[in-house]
Amino acid sequence: AQKITQTQPGMFVQEKEAVTLDCTYDTSDPSYGLFWYKQPSSGEMIFLIYQGSYDQQNATEGRYSLNFQKARKSANLVISASQLGDSAMYFCAMSFYNQGGKLIFGQGTELSVKP
Amino acid sequence: DAGVTQSPTHLIKTRGQQVTLRCSPKSGHDTVSWYQQALGQGPQFIFQYYEEEERQRGNFPDRFSGHQFPNYSSELNVNALLLGDSALYLCASSPDGQGLYGYTFGSGTRLTVV
Repeated sequence: AQKITQTQPGMFVQEKEAVTLDCTYDTSDPSYGLFWYKQPSSGEMIFLIYQGSYDQQNATEGRYSLNFQKARKSANLVISASQLGDSAMYFCAMSFYNQGGKLIFGQGTELSVKP
Repeated sequence: DAGVTQSPTHLIKTRGQQVTLRCSPKSGHDTVSWYQQALGQGPQFIFQYYEEEERQRGNFPDRFSGHQFPNYSSELNVNALLLGDSALYLCASSPDGQGLYGYTFGSGTRLTVV
């Protein structure tokens, strides 16, 4: 079964500190992509970062980095120097190269940044 | 450069009615996918359109149907609405259908069925 699991329903972090949001996945397909999206209260899903299953290095995009541990099937998102505007829902998602690219989402983690 | 545009933003319908939601993809994108997001849940894939045809479908009943037009815009139709259809409906577009370059999402249509 193909599944994404996010075990942290809610997280708090102090402004300017780093935070790690957990994501584990289950698949036997060797070709896949992993995504993180941010969803503020407005509802729009904002793309943050992408990691391909064959990528050798962890992906980074500004303050976002993805800690990809393929053997453990985990793809944790690290946000450095948290800002108040980072408060939102965060979703981990997965797609498969030979399955038309549909996204499978986790349940999400609500991040609250404290001033 | 406009991103993905969805209309309407909010909608209230009565059980048993039919509804049509609309989506204009990001410029340069030819593949449109629809997702249903119930309150407190992650989005669930409904279907994907490419070259005006439904290419892939999730686990949703036939009451959910769609269409893609020659300009790549898309509609989602839901017939015989149930209370459980109340959700945020998200449209996402991509230039390649595989999502290798990420998907661009709209802000969604929030449907309430009463």
